[in-house]
Amino acid sequence: EAQVTQNPRYLITVTGKKLTVTCSQNMNHEYMSWYRQDPGLGLRQIYYSMNVEVTDKGDVPEGYKVSRKEKRNFPLILESPSPNQTSLYFCASSAQGLSYEQYFGPGTRLTVT
Amino acid sequence: GDSVTQMEGPVTLSEEAFLTINCTYTATGYPSLFWYVQYPGEGLQLLLKATKADDKGSNKGFEATYRKETTSFHLEKGSVQVSDSAVYFCALSDQGFQKLVFGTGTRLLVSP
Repeated sequence: EAQVTQNPRYLITVTGKKLTVTCSQNMNHEYMSWYRQDPGLGLRQIYYSMNVEVTDKGDVPEGYKVSRKEKRNFPLILESPSPNQTSLYFCASSAQGLSYEQYFGPGTRLTVT
Repeated sequence: GDSVTQMEGPVTLSEEAFLTINCTYTATGYPSLFWYVQYPGEGLQLLLKATKADDKGSNKGFEATYRKETTSFHLEKGSVQVSDSAVYFCALSDQGFQKLVFGTGTRLLVSP
């Protein structure tokens, strides 16, 4: 089954404790992206990757890091989480670009206290 | 920069009513336009898309037409069902920055 998986689905952590949210896709997609969803703001892009070892900032990259060492994986790293990073996070992938369907993961709800 | 504006919700309808969710956009160039749907507790799924002016996207009884002259991409369905209750997001592709630009989402509630 074609899918994007994220782990964990739910995470409660404390300020400053490094964490990683994993994202993996099994569709051999080149393009992957991370979004955060906040009430009243819709989804905003954090980082994206056009292919292995190629990443770039989106609209709200501050406080986040990513890496793309393998085509299927695109982890999101919060080196020192803060309460304003409490949000719902989605990973997405697509075949070649934005005119193609974006496949979204189920989301990770992160709470930073 | 590019932006998408959708009507605020929630939109509350009875089953079999007609649905319109308005979406307008601002963009340089010629973006592709999308409607995504988010069911409770799930990620977003593509509902329909249109890649050029006057294209009509359709799926599961939903339709939207890419209107360049009015910069709009309104979502319509002739007869909604309870199972259509979800949040609907209008989006455009920003090729220059390789991202989807989303509206804020419109929650649809359909009662029996």
